[in-house]
Amino acid sequence: DIQMTQSPASLSVSLGETVSIECLASGAISNDLAWYQQKSGKSPQLLIYGTSRLQDGVPSRFSGSGSGTRFSLKISGMQPEDEADYFCQQSYLYPLTFGSGTKLEIK
Amino acid sequence: EVQLVESGGALVQPGRSLKLSCAASGFTFSHSYMAWVRQAPKKGLEWVATISTRGTTTYYPDSVRGRFTISRDNAQGSLSLQMNSLKSEDTATYYCARHGERIHFDSWGQGVLVTVSS
Repeated sequence: DIQMTQSPASLSVSLGETVSIECLASGAISNDLAWYQQKSGKSPQLLIYGTSRLQDGVPSRFSGSGSGTRFSLKISGMQPEDEADYFCQQSYLYPLTFGSGTKLEIK
Repeated sequence: EVQLVESGGALVQPGRSLKLSCAASGFTFSHSYMAWVRQAPKKGLEWVATISTRGTTTYYPDSVRGRFTISRDNAQGSLSLQMNSLKSEDTATYYCARHGERIHFDSWGQGVLVTVSS
């Protein structure tokens, strides 16, 4: 199974700050990596798939990069509505696996 | 607009069974792989099952294989999850989700709570 190690577990940032969240896969997953945002009490929402492809309707301040085993999600300019939990997920191999999540808060 | 609406969540005793349902609308259901993903209270996301467009192929993680069965009715636009031999560690919110072409999850339902406790 592919294990996804996500860091940091939590992050506190100021409005307007640039944020980076990382995911490390235990094996090569090509570019089959997605990112999800989950706000408190809500369902997860897809942000990015295929490492860097922005889902329709997602603000352009979100971007994804990486390949092989190292991937990252960047938020360029933290906004109040970005306070949420973020999860990565590999879709290269079954069983599909998620990172443990990053809790992003406003300082 | 894609809509996925789960139902069937309940409080059940360990060892018992429960069936979840998901009603899909707003897209051509028969063209999409579908899945269930769960989230234990205050925990992360765990993929539970995936089914192919015609229902001929299914995938499960080891944690539920042999106990859970995913199925679909393309004529009705519905997805189901039959859960047998439930354990306390199956306690979670269960989400119905649609797979995108890269096997990510591009749409999610609102979730339904399953609590396994005596």
